[in-house]
Amino acid sequence: GQQVQQSPTSLVLQEGENAELQCNFSTSLNSMQWFYQRPGGSLISVFYNPSGTKQSGRLTSTTVIKERRSSLHISSSQITDSGTYLCAMVPGTGGYKVVFGSGTRLLVSP
Amino acid sequence: EAAVTQSPRSKVAVTGGKVTLSCHQTNNHDYMYWYRQDTGHGLRLIHYSYVADSTEKGDIPDGYKASRPSQENFSLILELASLSQTAVYFCASSEPRTGLSGNTLYFGEGSRLIVV
Repeated sequence: GQQVQQSPTSLVLQEGENAELQCNFSTSLNSMQWFYQRPGGSLISVFYNPSGTKQSGRLTSTTVIKERRSSLHISSSQITDSGTYLCAMVPGTGGYKVVFGSGTRLLVSP
Repeated sequence: EAAVTQSPRSKVAVTGGKVTLSCHQTNNHDYMYWYRQDTGHGLRLIHYSYVADSTEKGDIPDGYKASRPSQENFSLILELASLSQTAVYFCASSEPRTGLSGNTLYFGEGSRLIVV
């Protein structure tokens, strides 16, 4: 089965609203990372967050290893936040593979 | 600034033809990866490598070969391209996993492959 489940699959917000994106993992994890991707674009790391809470501007990531989940909170969304957000994890079983979720497509409208 | 460059950025290939996608990194990273992304899907790992002259199979290696002739270069080879291999391919590099520093991935811009 899928090791990484992301929700929601897609999300539409009005500018200024907050967003909460979730990732759940079916296995233990060694580390995890959030990426942002513009349509047709490359992936840019948003957070490397193996555990705990990290904040950068309007973005906050919280990873709870024991519960095998991570979240990405976007406050006061802006049109430029639109795109796809993917989470990725390195399983705790060892090795060097990085496994990705299917992503959350975010559309922020005026 | 870490850099991963891919070539070609886009390509149209004929079914049954050979396709080589190239990746070059200037990050001095040991690990390199090839992923494919299909519309509406996340990234799936095809092949990866943690040292020159060695490659490992990822989750979907069938129909693909990989080559790592040096630390900086990592190629993905489709010997007999098929329609199902139409996708966007991403190369990435990372440092070795050491404690909490982990595998922060740096991606290239992607190579869009259309097989007709």
